[in-house]
Amino acid sequence: AQSVTQLDSQVPVFEEAPVELRCNYSSSVSVYLFWYVQYPNQGLQLLLKYLSGSTLVKGINGFEAEFNKSQTSFHLRKPSVHISDTAEYFCAVTPRTDKLIFGTGTRLQVFP
Amino acid sequence: NAGVTQTPKFQVLKTGQSMTLQCAQDMNHNSMYWYRQDPGMGLRLIYYSASEGTTDKGEVPNGYNVSRLNKREFSLRLESAAPSQTSVYFCASSDTDRGNQPQHFGDGTRLSIL
Repeated sequence: AQSVTQLDSQVPVFEEAPVELRCNYSSSVSVYLFWYVQYPNQGLQLLLKYLSGSTLVKGINGFEAEFNKSQTSFHLRKPSVHISDTAEYFCAVTPRTDKLIFGTGTRLQVFP
Repeated sequence: NAGVTQTPKFQVLKTGQSMTLQCAQDMNHNSMYWYRQDPGMGLRLIYYSASEGTTDKGEVPNGYNVSRLNKREFSLRLESAAPSQTSVYFCASSDTDRGNQPQHFGDGTRLSIL
């Protein structure tokens, strides 16, 4: 079985500061990894995905994530955040099937 | 570009009442999903459908039924609502059952059961 751990439930940060949202996963088989963002009162939108190849993946809105197989991590980073990045971020993993397992989410709060 | 459309957006029910949540997608996707989102618990899969005519249980199916009416529509039914089913429900669809394509989500149905 697979599981996803998002270590931080909330991350406060000032505008223009860098941010890292942490995600660790557990799986005995190869996986695909995703980060989704949820703005207030909306559904989830895809930020980026890792399927194979380069371990550094670039997504929308200036976000990127790095897949680290040895540490079973897929941390999300942005070098300079904006107020509009305030949202909840979900890491998700699939054992290459149609079932997606989500972490519990990290609420990013960007302050002016 | 409608994508995934859920109706209704909000609903309040009394314990014991029944209700059907509707979901339709216009992207010609084969796979469709129903999730519930509760504070601090992320999204949990209730049921999914890999193709028209097939449905399978997810992580938390108890108290729910689903119908894949056709390729576009996937409904979720609460036969006898309970307060524990108060949640935000999301429908999603995907082009493939191989996991290498993202899921596309609706805006959710906020359901309160008194």
